[in-house]
Amino acid sequence: DGGITQSPKYLFRKEGQNVTLSCEQNLNHDAMYWYRQDPGQGLRLIYYSQIVNDFQKGDIAEGYSVSREKKESFPLTVTSAQKNPTAFYLCASSTRTSGSPDTQYFGPGTRLTVL
Amino acid sequence: QKEVEQNSGPLSVPEGAIASLNCTYSDRGSQSFFWYRQYSGKSPELIMFIYSNGDKEDGRFTAQLNKASQYVSLLIRDSQPSDSATYLCAVMGSSASKIIFGSGTRLSIRP
Repeated sequence: DGGITQSPKYLFRKEGQNVTLSCEQNLNHDAMYWYRQDPGQGLRLIYYSQIVNDFQKGDIAEGYSVSREKKESFPLTVTSAQKNPTAFYLCASSTRTSGSPDTQYFGPGTRLTVL
Repeated sequence: QKEVEQNSGPLSVPEGAIASLNCTYSDRGSQSFFWYRQYSGKSPELIMFIYSNGDKEDGRFTAQLNKASQYVSLLIRDSQPSDSATYLCAVMGSSASKIIFGSGTRLSIRP
């Protein structure tokens, strides 16, 4: 089965803790993305990576960090510097094919709650 | 002005009717446009994309793009209760490096 997996599905964090959200894809996609979604709102881009060992900040990168050591994996760390981390976190990947735009496909998401 | 704007709804449509969802965008150089469906508590699923002016049909869904008016819409024919969801419009801007999402329109199909 090809797809994007995220783990865990639910995550609870105490204030002051760092947590890492996993995102893995076996679609052989070059680019990967992390978004945050708050209730009733659209998706906001945290970080993205278009190639292994390279990544760029999105619109709301403060308090987050990422790595891209393998093509298949793009983990997101939510640090204690992120003041309001409770949200639904979505990972996506994309690749460009002939005749189609660079289309993003999403994993199932991780719901993070700060206690 | 938001980069991608959608009416938040809820939009209530009777079963079997046509649902019309609208989206405007601010970057005149935008290249590609996407519609995603998101059920409550789930991740977005791609419905379709469009990048040329005019209509593009896929089953009960039709995307319409008017670049001169900076407007993209999604029509859902023969609406079903299973179409009740939030529909996200997404736009790839002129830089082509990232996609901007609207905040979504909540659609409710009433029996």
